Amino acid sequence: DVKVTQSSRYLVKRTGEKVFLECVQDMDHENMFWYRQDPGLGLRLIYFSYDVKMKEKGDIPEGYSVSREKKERFSLILESASTNQTSMYLCASSSGRALYNEQFFGPGTRLTVL
Amino acid sequence: RKEVEQDPGPFNVPEGATVAFNCTYSNSASQSFFWYRQDCRKEPKLLMSVYSSGNEDGRFTAQLNRASQYISLLIRDSKLSDSATYLCVVNMGYSTLTFGKGTMLLVSP
Repeated sequence: DVKVTQSSRYLVKRTGEKVFLECVQDMDHENMFWYRQDPGLGLRLIYFSYDVKMKEKGDIPEGYSVSREKKERFSLILESASTNQTSMYLCASSSGRALYNEQFFGPGTRLTVL
Repeated sequence: RKEVEQDPGPFNVPEGATVAFNCTYSNSASQSFFWYRQDCRKEPKLLMSVYSSGNEDGRFTAQLNRASQYISLLIRDSKLSDSATYLCVVNMGYSTLTFGKGTMLLVSP
């Protein structure tokens, strides 16, 4: 079974702090994704990566950056957290060259920015 | 124009009922179609892929209508454990997947 893990289930940070969210997958998947999910807005793609050191902006990249130094690990960085970044953050991975294959999700990190 | 549209519900049905959800998508070049299930405060999990010929997995049947650009999910003999939010997922052209906002299903005893 594919396993996608995220470093924290719950996180509370203060406005202006730098926040790191880590995601690790154990199935040698090429593609990794970061989403945020908010009530009434559904899942929105922040960034994705189709290879080590490669990254692409999703629909809402503003205020975020990412890092993929190893194939199994994809990090989401909030350079200066703001209250409107309070959300559920979900990491996902998928195999193959196509970016539209089935995705497997981690359990999510619920981030609160005070 | 919204890309993947679903009725948010909730759909309230008794155990044993048959319930159907529809989802419309805007890109006629889409090739990948899925239904995901998301339980409250949990991550989305794949329920089933949707193929052109339609497909069935136990009590669940998914169908694709390319001409009208919609996919459907039919659940027969609903169980209490089917209560969840069902996400319609479609790729837009050759890019990544786009998730609908989901349809909530509540199955009552």
